[in-house]
Amino acid sequence: GAVVSQHPSWVICKSGTSVKIECRSLDFQATTMFWYRQFPKQSLMLMATSNEGSKATYEQGVEKDKFLINHASLTLSTLTVTSAHPEDSSFYICSASFRGSYEQYFGPGTRLTVT
Amino acid sequence: GENVEQHPSTLSVQEGDSAVIKCTYSDSASNYFPWYKQELGKGPQLIIDIRSNVGEKKDQRIAVTLNKTAKHFSLHITETQPEDSAVYFCAASLSGGSYIPTFGRGTSLIVHP
Repeated sequence: GAVVSQHPSWVICKSGTSVKIECRSLDFQATTMFWYRQFPKQSLMLMATSNEGSKATYEQGVEKDKFLINHASLTLSTLTVTSAHPEDSSFYICSASFRGSYEQYFGPGTRLTVT
Repeated sequence: GENVEQHPSTLSVQEGDSAVIKCTYSDSASNYFPWYKQELGKGPQLIIDIRSNVGEKKDQRIAVTLNKTAKHFSLHITETQPEDSAVYFCAASLSGGSYIPTFGRGTSLIVHP
């Protein structure tokens, strides 16, 4: 149980375009979803936290107009990278938890390359 | 805020040896300490966790110990196998809210056959 999927697993886009990444909880209702960014050989950096039906809470230094997060249902959250630039290239990972749970369940990640 | 230090950054062992990874945290309010294993190109997977009311927890070849007074916790892997090779992250969560963890920098474990 507690499986989280992400789609796509990898994506290549041109500079200036937007790309959407989906995160789904497959067998539980995720009251909270998290989006992380990870550079090579580095730790996970929390970008934002979203609760179902509410606006996302962004970490300091993360541009909310560039990284649009939507958590419209208890099983789906999306991250849209708008007007992508090469420096946005990274590994994006989502995780999900349910109410009262200590644990976060991570998705497999999405590799974004902006050319 | 919380600060988690993790050591070593790289650990190389022979198959069958034990491996120990250590983490310290700064906020005494933290009460949940998970460990994650991340293989190349994949998301982190929870391998074991411990809560502040417990001093030690074991699951087959993996164990975690917690010293609340000293604010440090450790991951112990016994009888290491090549498939244990991965990056391991420790984390500490503050009580309440959404239990958002603060991660350590990670330890790259290499198990040589």
